[in-house]
Amino acid sequence: KAGVTQTPRYLIKTRGQQVTLSCSPISGHRSVSWYQQTPGQGLQFLFEYFSETQRNKGNFPGRFSGRQFSNSRSEMNVSTLELGDSALYLCASSQGQGVYEQYFGPGTRLTVT
Amino acid sequence: GENVEQHPSTLSVQEGDSAVIKCTYSDSASNYFPWYKQELGKRPQLIIDIRSNVGEKKDQRIAVTLNKTAKHFSLHITETQPEDSAVYFCAASRDSSASKIIFGSGTRLSIRP
Repeated sequence: KAGVTQTPRYLIKTRGQQVTLSCSPISGHRSVSWYQQTPGQGLQFLFEYFSETQRNKGNFPGRFSGRQFSNSRSEMNVSTLELGDSALYLCASSQGQGVYEQYFGPGTRLTVT
Repeated sequence: GENVEQHPSTLSVQEGDSAVIKCTYSDSASNYFPWYKQELGKRPQLIIDIRSNVGEKKDQRIAVTLNKTAKHFSLHITETQPEDSAVYFCAASRDSSASKIIFGSGTRLSIRP
């Protein structure tokens, strides 16, 4: 099976712009979670989706949003970008709900200037 | 809030020796403990996980032990090889929900030839 894929892999944006990141889970996986990874804060939970429903959202401002489509692909959007949004954004998929045996994508490296 | 402390932050061992990484969690309701390996510039990979009803789990050269009373768990890598060099993250989760997973800060393991 193909692994989790994320596009784009690298992105450079300026403050105030918005960005959309995409995640395609492993075929058959219905759960997608998003994480932000930074050197200072480590890995932090952003969103969790299962069967097109957002199950949970982490402690991030409303500028961060996401959705999941009927084919389990997921997107996250960040509006009004700030310098502090620079990070590696990882998505992970699992067959059932949640974090059990989740597989990560390669990430999207977002740089905000 | 709940947290997971991981030690040491860096670890250097001679090839062929063993490496041990320890994590302590604060949420006594945590019941799922995965370990991830992240090589430089690559995605985190699940290498082993353990649930709270099990005290130890092995997979070839890797083992994880859990002490629920003391609220700590450890990763043991025996007969280390150069390809074991990476950052290792522990995590603790209360249930399957990604919103409940808390990651350790990571251990950078270097294997000396």
